[in-house]
Amino acid sequence: DVKVTQSSRYLVKRTGEKVFLECVQDMDHENMFWYRQDPGLGLRLIYFSYDVKMKEKGDIPEGYSVSREKKERFSLILESASTNQTSMYLCASRTPTGGQPQHFGDGTRLSIL
Amino acid sequence: QKEVEQDPGPLSVPEGAIVSLNCTYSNSAFQYFMWYRQYSRKGPELLMYTYSSGNKEDGRFTAQVDKSSKYISLFIRDSQPSDSATYLCANGMFSGGYNKLIFGAGTRLAVHP
Repeated sequence: DVKVTQSSRYLVKRTGEKVFLECVQDMDHENMFWYRQDPGLGLRLIYFSYDVKMKEKGDIPEGYSVSREKKERFSLILESASTNQTSMYLCASRTPTGGQPQHFGDGTRLSIL
Repeated sequence: QKEVEQDPGPLSVPEGAIVSLNCTYSNSAFQYFMWYRQYSRKGPELLMYTYSSGNKEDGRFTAQVDKSSKYISLFIRDSQPSDSATYLCANGMFSGGYNKLIFGAGTRLAVHP
């Protein structure tokens, strides 16, 4: 079974802080993704990565950056956290072959005070 | 208009009922269709996926796709309390060199004993 592990289940930070969310997958997947999930809005793609050291903006990249130094690890960085970044953050990975599904971690619920 | 729309529910049914969950989409470029199930405080897990119009069955679950009307359904037979979760439809297409997945906001289902 694919295992996608997000380092924190719950996180509370203050506005203006730099926040790091970590994600590790154990299936040697090339593609990795960061989403945020908000009630009524569903999952929205923040950033994704085709492979190591590669990154592409998703639909809502403003205020975020990412890092992919190793194939198994994809980090999401909130450069200067704001209250509107309070959300559930989900990491996913997949093999790039055809229409293969994405496999998700259990999420990090981030609160910015 | 959102690219993928779902009724948010909640949908409450008695145990043993047949459940119908629906999803509509606006972009005819979508090429494959998935259903994810998300339990409370967990990440989405893949339930079913299909590439074509028609029905696909897996145990108590049937996914139905009608590309002509841009309408997707998930049927659950003999529903169980363990089916209580949020169900997300996700439509995929090949865009800009990668497989783009667009999620609906999800329908919350409660199956009561």
